[in-house]
Amino acid sequence: NAGVTQTPKFQVLKTGQSMTLQCAQDMNHEYMSWYRQDPGMGLRLIHYSVGAGITDQGEVPNGYNVSRSTTEDFPLRLLSAAPSQTSVYFCASSRDRGSSNSPLHFGNGTRLTVT
Amino acid sequence: AQSVAQPEDQVNVAEGNPLTVKCTYSVSGNPYLFWYVQYPNRGLQFLLKYITGDNLVKGSYGFEAEFNKSQTSFHLKKPSALVSDSALYFCAVRDLTGANNLFFGTGTRLTVIP
Repeated sequence: NAGVTQTPKFQVLKTGQSMTLQCAQDMNHEYMSWYRQDPGMGLRLIHYSVGAGITDQGEVPNGYNVSRSTTEDFPLRLLSAAPSQTSVYFCASSRDRGSSNSPLHFGNGTRLTVT
Repeated sequence: AQSVAQPEDQVNVAEGNPLTVKCTYSVSGNPYLFWYVQYPNRGLQFLLKYITGDNLVKGSYGFEAEFNKSQTSFHLKKPSALVSDSALYFCAVRDLTGANNLFFGTGTRLTVIP
């Protein structure tokens, strides 16, 4: 049971480049989300999904796109990278959309640097 | 909107001493509160949660948290700190207005000194 798997672990981009951060979970979780972690700011929610085919914006969605074509996968796309997107990105999932009791399961993160 | 605050960026405690990591919350309605821990180069790991019921919640690795409604606090505690407890700790609150997203505090770095 791998849990939540994120790839790549590290990435360096030049300003203006695009890329996709991959996230996959093997726990059949309905809910998935993307956070970014910046020093002194904690974790901020970028986008989330409550099931296949359903996505919505979080606190800081600008510059990012997501899709959820399957239950397992929830990729995060950077359309045109900017230095302000230098951060550590975490994908997380939980069991069901309507439960307040389900804890989040996190991947190990992707460290992105934009030069 | 729901939010949490962690007033201390850094907490230092000697090994064997009790530790407290502070968290206060602001919610409309009943709070659903969580503590997570992050070790270096890893994702966050769930420690414990308060949904309803007893004000003292027990969690993983000997941690517990005390919910105090009058002070709107949810402090994380442990009776005897270990060096291996050194990590980054996050308090979080569930957003009940939408998809039950979690909103996190800014984190507190705990250092246990041998």
